Order: sequence, then structure tokens, then C-alpha cells
Amino acid sequence: DAGITQSPRHKVTETGTPVTLRCHQTENHRYMYWYRQDPGHGLRLIHYSYGVKDTDKGEVSDGYSVSRSKTEDFLLTLESATSSQTSVYFCAITSETGVYEAFFGQGTRLTVV
Amino acid sequence: SQQGEEDPQALSIQEGENATMNCSYKTSINNLQWYRQNSGRGLVHLILIRSNEREKHSGRLRVTLDTSKKSSSLLITASRAADTASYFCATDSGGSNYKLTFGKGTLLTVNP
Repeated sequence: DAGITQSPRHKVTETGTPVTLRCHQTENHRYMYWYRQDPGHGLRLIHYSYGVKDTDKGEVSDGYSVSRSKTEDFLLTLESATSSQTSVYFCAITSETGVYEAFFGQGTRLTVV
Repeated sequence: SQQGEEDPQALSIQEGENATMNCSYKTSINNLQWYRQNSGRGLVHLILIRSNEREKHSGRLRVTLDTSKKSSSLLITASRAADTASYFCATDSGGSNYKLTFGKGTLLTVNP
């Protein structure tokens, strides 16, 4: 398995509180992604990174921010959590070499109450 | 909006039958990939087809790509109960800021 770890795996938080999810990789891959998965919507891209300090928005970026200060870590922050952000969050990594296969973390189940 | 859209949303077949899933996308792509997700797990890469390829095989998987119709299909032959999972297509934009987007997926159920 690719070396990609998400933390925490489960979290319950209250509306209005900030939350940070962490994605850590040991593969030295250039590209990192944050997705959310909800029933009926599949995987939707929140933000992605194509290098240290290089990030861009995906299709559902409102209410989320990201940071990548080093290759191995990509942080997703919910500035003020809302119930609509209850979801399963997946981090993925891929390399520009080879066949661009993306490797996924095990997911973080976030519940905003 | 999402780049890829899989069809059908759900598919139920008997073991031994073939399963075909389709993916349509909206804008030009560099590569198209198919992934599988078992319930509650992360996605696992199955196969990639480049925009200049028309067909690719890997074991019991066959993928076709029609760039003129902006569509792809995934065929799983001689399906097994263990193939029960959700299947997603993913497209990338190419370039240095490699953006990878997924569709909504097809839930495949293979009945023993």
C-alpha cells in the first residue's frame, strides 16, 4: 500500500468550530488532493496541490482552505464547520511519473452537529 | 460540476455475466482512469487509458475510449461476487497543475 495516512479517521465537531484534517504521505509525490464523498454525488474535488505552496480550488471549495508547507503534508481546514460539511473526506496522491495512478487514504468521517 | 458522469448509477447482475459501465465527460482530457471502491474504503486504481488510445485490456477488464463522443466504457467479463463495488471514472486535465476529477460512480452488485 502507498504510504498515505489521514488523521483523524473519525471526528465529531460542533457547528461553528474550526476543524483541520491532515493528509500525510511518505511517497514524495508531487500532487495531493482533498475530496469529499456524499451519497448521490460521488467524489467531489475540494482543493488540490501541485507542489509545496502551490494549491488550487476544486469544484466545492467554499468553506474550505488548504495549506501545503512541505511535500509530505496537505492540510484541509474547515474555518467554521457547518452541518452541510458532514461527509467522508478522502485524500489522494499521485505522481507525474509513471501512469498517474492515484493512491487514496482510508478516509476521515466527519460529523458536524 | 463534475467532469465525469457514470451510467448506469446501479447495476445488478449474476455471477458469470459481463458488466458494462459507461462514463461521459465534458471537456478535453489527457487521460481517463477507472477506479473501484469497496464499501467504506478508499478508491483503488484499475486501469488508465490515454487520450490517443481507443482500447485497453487488463485481465478481465476492457476499457474503450471515444474522444469524439467524450465517453468511455468499462467492461468486466465473467463477473464474480467479489467484483461487487462502486466503480468511478476519473479524468485529468494534464499540464503541470494536474487536476483529477471523478464522476458519481456506478454501484455494481454481482449476485452469487
